[in-house]
Formats: sequence, structure tokens, C-alpha cells
Amino acid sequence: DAMVIQNPRYQVTQFGKPVTLSCSQTLNHNVMYWYQQKSSQAPKLLFHYYDKDFNNEADTPDNFQSRRPNTSFCFLDIRSPGLGDTAMYLCATRGMRQGAYQETQYFGPGTRLLVL
Amino acid sequence: AQSVTQLDSHVSVSEGTPVLLRCNYSSSYSPSLFWYVQHPNKGLQLLLKYTSAATLVKGINGFEAEFKKSETSFHLTKPSAHMSDAAEYFCVVNNRDDKIIFGKGTRLHILP
Repeated sequence: DAMVIQNPRYQVTQFGKPVTLSCSQTLNHNVMYWYQQKSSQAPKLLFHYYDKDFNNEADTPDNFQSRRPNTSFCFLDIRSPGLGDTAMYLCATRGMRQGAYQETQYFGPGTRLLVL
Repeated sequence: AQSVTQLDSHVSVSEGTPVLLRCNYSSSYSPSLFWYVQHPNKGLQLLLKYTSAATLVKGINGFEAEFKKSETSFHLTKPSAHMSDAAEYFCVVNNRDDKIIFGKGTRLHILP
């Protein structure tokens, strides 16, 4: 089945130790998003890719970086995690049709990150 | 500018009774509106969406929502709550551009 896959599902890291989260999709969607969701809050958009075009949100810390080597894969790198980065990280995709965004985002199951 | 307001941060209902989760939106254009559900430690699952077709939209698990342009509302309902409905629900709006706006979420509690 076409889907959005995130690995790992759970990640524990130490304060300051770099970590990489992975997202892959079989939907062949042009757009991929990374969200941070803290406990009892709505998801907060960190950045998104339209194909290889990277779009950073103004308030996303420099500590968060992303790579998209091809259509299927997108990575979230946290260079020096702090305790405040403990959260669920959600990947989502969205298609384009005839130059226009399709309506629906499709979400992966998320990676729960714990920074100790 | 777009915005989404979920009017209740928590809703508690007894099992077997109706569910109403309220959402109001603000949009300059004809919006697309969505409800997503999130169970603990899980990703977001699409419940239903409105994209300018029928104003009454049926979704999964017995949920439905009605788009009311005059009231700028898109409330989510279910006739009879089940224990498995306990979760966080997010109302989402987009205008087919690259911006997607989330409401703050409503936590639904089901009482036995």
C-alpha cells in the first residue's frame, strides 16, 4: 500500500548528540513536510520541500536541518538536541496536480524523540 | 488570512451519547477543510475532508461534518460515542496554496 513511513518510531538521544530522523513515501508526492509536535499541542511546521526547493519557517531554529536526496526520502537532522527538542516529529506529504496543490496531506506515524 | 479555532480544548461525553467537536475557520477563499484524529503516540489519521462538493461530509468510524459557509463552521459529529473514539482531534484548513493551518486540537474523553 502507498504510504508514508518514518524511522525510527522511537529515538532516545543524549543532550547535544546529533540525531537523524528518516521519512520515506511511496505516494510520489512532490511536497514533503516536517512538523514538531510537543505534548498536548498542535503540530508546528518546521519546513517543507517542494521537489528540491527547501522552504524554512521563519521561527525554525538553526539547530534543525533537512535533506531530501530524492523524491522518496526526506531526513530531519537535529545537530545538537536540547531537552526542549523532546517531541513527536511528524512527516507529511502532499501531491500536485497540473501545477496546483492537491488538498490532502498524508501523515506518517511519527517518531517520538526523547532527549536526556 | 486563514485561521482555525477549535472552540473546546477538552470534551467529555458518555459512551453511547452524541459527540460534537466545534471548529470555526476564517479564510479569504473557498477553503478545503479537514478533520484529523490522533491517538496517543500515533500519527495523524484523516477522518474526513470538505473540498467544495457536498456540504455534509461522511468520514470513517461513523463521523461526519457539515460545512456551513454562513457560520464559517465545520463541526464534527458522531451519533454514538465509542470508547475507542477517545483521542485528540484537529481541524485543519488550507486554501490550496502551500499553507496549512491547524487548530489547537480538542481532546475527546469518553466516560464509561
